[in-house]
Amino acid sequence: ETGVTQTPRHLVMGMTNKKSLKCEQHLGHNAMYWYKQSAKKPLELMFVYNFKEQTENNSVPSRFSPECPNSSHLFLHLHTLQPEDSALYLCASSQDGAGDGNSPLHFGNGTRLTVT
Amino acid sequence: AQSVTQLDSQVPVFEEAPVELRCNYSSSVSVYLFWYVQYPNQGLQLLLKYLSGSTLVKGINGFEAEFNKSQTSFHLRKPSVHISDTAEYFCAVSDSADKLIFGTGTRLQVFP
Repeated sequence: ETGVTQTPRHLVMGMTNKKSLKCEQHLGHNAMYWYKQSAKKPLELMFVYNFKEQTENNSVPSRFSPECPNSSHLFLHLHTLQPEDSALYLCASSQDGAGDGNSPLHFGNGTRLTVT
Repeated sequence: AQSVTQLDSQVPVFEEAPVELRCNYSSSVSVYLFWYVQYPNQGLQLLLKYLSGSTLVKGINGFEAEFNKSQTSFHLRKPSVHISDTAEYFCAVSDSADKLIFGTGTRLQVFP
């Protein structure tokens, strides 16, 4: 079992729908992240939570709304998305976000999102 | 600002041949350097990292990378690849671990 679990694995939604992506980590880490992976583009960091507090919002549109109720769970709430939001959304965790390089990211397998 | 360049979007190679995946970075401060691998339908997995010390870093699955400060490079190498090494490889740089900057990735395709 991977230490970071994401559900669902695949999601197809219309532009008017509301859905949520879920991430759970079983590693005892204190920092959690959302990344967007689109074809031919670098991974884009979307949000960072450290000890449940949001420490990074990388100019993400408000149609993406993160929630971190505790250090083990992270959600990404989606509403009124656009077709260009179709991508692989990856959740990751690390021991902390202290910035000393000794806290590598552990990724989940991602949610493949298709917006129609 | 930091950036990472992976010039090769695809690298085809035959099984048991050596391979080098190139990575160049730009940064005005000391950096940490990483290589991650992404197998089909999976998330990214850390291959190796350079924090300080020896410039030759050994990782999992027989991969190694060499940090070259003068050339601002961190190329990934393996002397003999296997079919199972077929995957996407991402180079990343950070001056603080909670803000990794990733390259666009290199797809390694190993042929029998």
